[in-house]
Amino acid sequence: DAKTTQPPSMDCAEGRAANLPCNHSTISGNEYVYWYRQIHSQGPQYIIHGLKNNETNEMASLIITEDRKSSTLILPHATLRDTAVYYCIVSALRTSYDKVIFGPGTSLSVIP
Amino acid sequence: DADVTQTPRNRITKTGKRIMLECSQTKGHDRMYWYRQDPGLGLRLIYYSFDVKDINKGEISDGYSVSRQAQAKFSLSLESAIPNQTALYFCATSPNRAGELFFGEGSRLTVL
Repeated sequence: DAKTTQPPSMDCAEGRAANLPCNHSTISGNEYVYWYRQIHSQGPQYIIHGLKNNETNEMASLIITEDRKSSTLILPHATLRDTAVYYCIVSALRTSYDKVIFGPGTSLSVIP
Repeated sequence: DADVTQTPRNRITKTGKRIMLECSQTKGHDRMYWYRQDPGLGLRLIYYSFDVKDINKGEISDGYSVSRQAQAKFSLSLESAIPNQTALYFCATSPNRAGELFFGEGSRLTVL
């Protein structure tokens, strides 16, 4: 089973920030939080990952709570091209037999 | 050219036929994965391989088999296709660091 829970869908107005939540209450100390997105039926695309500190790159920001039981992906100025399914997963680095499990994700609709 | 290439991109076949989906990568990654996607169900792991001699079953391996012919090639076979194997199939690779995945563009399989 997926180790994360996400709302099935969200809407966001174009130009506004999109805040996508993820719960991972059973996360282990060596597990990172990763975010991917899938536009239509294309292959999923990596966005960002983090362990416990907040992270930012050219695509998004990742805010992880102090207890690491939840996180939020922030798209600061959503555009129509950000309409996609967003997946939050947790995975440990350097674990020989770890396997990455994707849940159903959050379908984000950016509205003009 | 794509770093992770899947062939064929689309295939229609009949029940009982043997089908092979192929994946090749130029990223030099050791880890390769096969996922299946059905509408509303996210991505489910079929098989994964951490090197040529290490192949493991995922969540839904029944009815599928795989072959890791070389570091760069990982094939998925359906020995006797059935209609409920109609789905979008993705191959992915990762470096020796679980969680950061690079996906191919997908292979859409329809079994009549």
